[in-house]
Amino acid sequence: AQTVTQSQPEMSVQEAETVTLSCTYDTSESDYYLFWYKQPPSRQMILVIRQEAYKQQNATENRFSVNFQKAAKSFSLKISDSQLGDAAMYFCAYIREKLTFGTGTRLTIIP
Amino acid sequence: DSGVTQTPKHLITATGQRVTLRCSPRSGDLSVYWYQQSLDQGLQFLIQYYNGEERAKGNILERFSAQQFPDLHSELNLSSLELGDSALYFCASSVREGLSNIQYFGAGTRLSVL
Repeated sequence: AQTVTQSQPEMSVQEAETVTLSCTYDTSESDYYLFWYKQPPSRQMILVIRQEAYKQQNATENRFSVNFQKAAKSFSLKISDSQLGDAAMYFCAYIREKLTFGTGTRLTIIP
Repeated sequence: DSGVTQTPKHLITATGQRVTLRCSPRSGDLSVYWYQQSLDQGLQFLIQYYNGEERAKGNILERFSAQQFPDLHSELNLSSLELGDSALYFCASSVREGLSNIQYFGAGTRLSVL
């Protein structure tokens, strides 16, 4: 079974600084998708960024980018110029025939 | 606002009871997905429907069932409720069929089983 590991239960960063959230996964497949979701205090899940495993280029969405290392099965999320609105739980997810979430990282932004 | 509507927002019930959670997808979306978020189990994918047919199954218990109706709204039925079923239940929708498509989430239904 696929497993997704987020080893950092909590992280904090100063406003305007850069932070990286880590995610590793275990799979024997070569074709799959990886997502990062954000869950702010409102509890609504919001897709942050999506990566297709067959694409070598790392996905970026404005201040959010990923470092996808397929051989290492690593999928970290970098948030640049952190803003107060980035405070949330962040979930990494692996998708192939099923969707598996990690346990989440709670990100705090320090003003 | 994602455009996905879930009702009710909160539900309090007793062990052994049965409840129905409702989800209206975004206009034009054919896929509906159900998720459970609990303190014990974390965030889990339960089941997906596409245009009325079941497409993918996750960690859904036999006591739980779902369906998608011709108007594309979906219902998640939870029966013989146990204390451990207390959780936030999310519905999401997408235009296409695959799990890898961008999904838009509703605000969730908070279920408390007492």
